[in-house]
Amino acid sequence: GEDVEQSLFLSVREGDSSVINCTYTDSSSTYLYWYKQEPGAGLQLLTYIFSNMDMKQDQRLTVLLNKKDKHLSLRIADTQTGDSAIYFCAESILSSNTGKLIFGQGTTLQVKP
Amino acid sequence: GAVVSQHPSRVICKSGTSVKIECRSLDFQATTMFWYRQFPKQSLMLMATSNEGSKATYEQGVEKDKFLINHASLTLSTLTVTSAHPEDSSFYICSAKGSVKNQPQHFGDGTRLSIL
Repeated sequence: GEDVEQSLFLSVREGDSSVINCTYTDSSSTYLYWYKQEPGAGLQLLTYIFSNMDMKQDQRLTVLLNKKDKHLSLRIADTQTGDSAIYFCAESILSSNTGKLIFGQGTTLQVKP
Repeated sequence: GAVVSQHPSRVICKSGTSVKIECRSLDFQATTMFWYRQFPKQSLMLMATSNEGSKATYEQGVEKDKFLINHASLTLSTLTVTSAHPEDSSFYICSAKGSVKNQPQHFGDGTRLSIL
């Protein structure tokens, strides 16, 4: 079945780069997404990448996709305290007609001043 | 763009009450809306998928008579938790997407439901 795995916790110092990793199992994934959740709030779409791309950069965010290893990463450059949140990786699977997403467990990013 | 509004943000009520949560897409037509439940420090659990004008499709283990979903228009879906009990207390989040396949889902801010 489909499964998405993430490490649960990452701590970095302000100004450093953060790298959050994600692995998935469904080789038919079409799009892969990164969402950010702040305490008590919904999910904010950060960025997404089509499965035939290797990399996508958007300001401080860089997404790398290794389709062979089914590995996705999100790099946040110059991490700020405001980046502290839970980050969810999600995949959209080809077999779903409705765009159903499979989410990882979420990675809590702690940014220390 | 792609704003989803969810109301109310917080509800506290007595056991046995029915609670309605609204999810609106403000600037796009949401042909599909999703309802999730999130337990503390856990990921999102999909409860059901609703398409405008159709009956919702519930995930395994989710009671459709307990969690009533209505998606009567392209901008509004509602989730009603009927005869809520303390075990229904949770964070409920909706999301919406347009008709193009693989368009991203856009999420509301969630509803914190507390049943006393």
